Amino acid sequence: QSVLTQPPSASGTPGQRVTISCSGSSSNIEGNPVSWYQQLPGTAPKLLIYRNNQRPSGVPDRFSGSKSGTSASLAISGLRSEDEADYYCAAWDDSLTGLYVFGTGTRVTVV
Amino acid sequence: QVQLVQSGAELKKPGATVRVSCKASGYPFTTYGINWVRQAPGQGLEWMGWISADNGYTQYAQKFQGKVIMTTDTSTNTAYMELRSLRFDDTAIYYCARGKRPAVAGACDYWGQGTLVTVSS
Repeated sequence: QSVLTQPPSASGTPGQRVTISCSGSSSNIEGNPVSWYQQLPGTAPKLLIYRNNQRPSGVPDRFSGSKSGTSASLAISGLRSEDEADYYCAAWDDSLTGLYVFGTGTRVTVV
Repeated sequence: QVQLVQSGAELKKPGATVRVSCKASGYPFTTYGINWVRQAPGQGLEWMGWISADNGYTQYAQKFQGKVIMTTDTSTNTAYMELRSLRFDDTAIYYCARGKRPAVAGACDYWGQGTLVTVSS
């Protein structure tokens, strides 16, 4: 049971902007950097965003991340069919012995 | 280019132990650590722990304390994850992923292809 909550699904038409939320708490998102991962069907996850809003080399600038307080968001602008995937937020959680927690995941569908 | 190549699929009986390997290339192995993450069928991602490839320091999720052992071999640039006392609900794809200490850097920037571990009688 994850401590980072995401909507189970999101959808949009090609070219639209889709936003995915990630709700956490003071022990994780508020005090630690947030990452986002994209998992295409049948493949390993891929780092999309790190340190809240930084894109690794090769990730299109259509993907952007932000954080405010105990929540974070991933925005996908100019939605494309190849963006159909599961998206996970993640952050370190300082409670108890410490844990790197992933969000519950959001399935993005391009309709 | 950075690559993490994992060992092949495993079929184990309940109570057995499995060891998954993750061979790294394309970067100085000891400058990063290795995270292990698993994904049960149809489920989300679950972080198991992290090991420093520099000094072998480990940080395990509390859930896996006493059940998992992570090691590295710097002579072959390979990380290992050993999971003992396997149960049916340990059936999952196990991923290794490169990263600095998660409490500080908090990101897995390169991932292995995954190893399916099936626990069945």
